[in-house]
Amino acid sequence: NAGVTQTPKFRVLKTGQSMTLLCAQDMNHEYMYWYRQDPGMGLRLIHYSVGEGTTAKGEVPDGYNVSRLKKQNFLLGLESAAPSQTSVYFCATIGGSSYNEQFFGPGTRLTVL
Amino acid sequence: DQQVKQNSPSLSVQEGRISILNCDYTNSMFDYFLWYKKYPAEGPTFLISISSIKDKNEDGRFTVFLNKSAKHLSLHIVPSQPGDSAVYFCAAITSGTYKYIFGTGTRLKVLA
Repeated sequence: NAGVTQTPKFRVLKTGQSMTLLCAQDMNHEYMYWYRQDPGMGLRLIHYSVGEGTTAKGEVPDGYNVSRLKKQNFLLGLESAAPSQTSVYFCATIGGSSYNEQFFGPGTRLTVL
Repeated sequence: DQQVKQNSPSLSVQEGRISILNCDYTNSMFDYFLWYKKYPAEGPTFLISISSIKDKNEDGRFTVFLNKSAKHLSLHIVPSQPGDSAVYFCAAITSGTYKYIFGTGTRLKVLA
């Protein structure tokens, strides 16, 4: 079991470029999340999904779009990257009826120049 | 508006002593609380949790205390070990929402 994987691990973009971050999970979990981690700001929820085909906004959704076409994948898109989106992005999943234990991926470090 | 706050960005403790990490929240609708540990270049990992119907939960060296009237929770690590050096995040959630809100984190350094 790979658990939660994120692709890519690192990326450097120029302002205005677009990209998609992929989160994949093999635990058959219903719920998936995208967070960003910035110094002094902790983990902030960008978007989340409670099931295939559904998405919802988190605390900081502006500038991002998401899609959950397949249960195992949750994509985070940046249509026009800005330097303010330089961050470490984490994907997480949770399954079942328990609120315990979100499983996190290893993170994607994104730099926007 | 920071609904979950960890006011101490860092904490240093001698090996073998107790580490106490604090977390405050403002939203009275939160009814479940969690602590995560994060090492550099890795994703956070779940540590311990507590429901609002309890005031204490213990798991080995880790104990979480919840004071609902003060909207405050704390994580106690006894005894602290060098391998506990990491960033600790508290998180809160309201039942039925599946929307977790995290604090800003506290960097714990356990000195050998």
